[in-house]
Amino acid sequence: TQLLEQSPQFLSIQEGENLTVYCNSSSVFSSLQWYRQEPGEGPVLLVTVVTGGEVKKLKRLTFQFGDARKDSSLHITAAQPGDTGLYLCAGGSQGAQKLVFGQGTRLTINP
Amino acid sequence: ETGVTQTPRHLVMGMTNKKSLKCEQHLGHNAMYWYKQSAKKPLELMFVYNFKEQTENNSVPSRFSPECPNSSHLFLHLHTLQPEDSALYLCASSQDTGLADGSETQYFGPGTRLLVL
Repeated sequence: TQLLEQSPQFLSIQEGENLTVYCNSSSVFSSLQWYRQEPGEGPVLLVTVVTGGEVKKLKRLTFQFGDARKDSSLHITAAQPGDTGLYLCAGGSQGAQKLVFGQGTRLTINP
Repeated sequence: ETGVTQTPRHLVMGMTNKKSLKCEQHLGHNAMYWYKQSAKKPLELMFVYNFKEQTENNSVPSRFSPECPNSSHLFLHLHTLQPEDSALYLCASSQDTGLADGSETQYFGPGTRLLVL
């Protein structure tokens, strides 16, 4: 069974600080997606990474896929209150439609 | 607005009730999914439909009964639920099935918050 562990599960920091969220597994994934879910809404895709070592940037958010494609990280620079939400990583496998989700990191950015 | 709508947004039901959740996608996608989201647990995939055919049933109890009359609509029929079934039920859709690297994007609806008393 493929599992994804996210850490930390909860993070509360002040506006302007930097943070990193981790997504780890003992399994290899063909792709890794990051979603953000805001209260009262469903998850929305932020980014997909498919190559080991790949780095993608989305404004102040930097996503990295591990070289061995077993882990990923999300780094936020100068966090803002609008970054508040539940961040979910999800692993995809070749030829499979099913995504494996981590349990999420609930991030709160305080003004 | 993701192009996936769900109704109702909130539902309270007793253990002997029968109710249905509805999902509609306006994206022209071929695959639709039901997920259960509970506190402190990862998103749990329940069912997958491709071109109206069920392709995945993740050992879901029979008190949950899905129906997919066409590629745009998905229902989840509920009967004799238990309090532990209280959760956020999310519907999602995607364009194709099983891209080579598993990177297909899923578009989620806002969910139905279900409380079973």
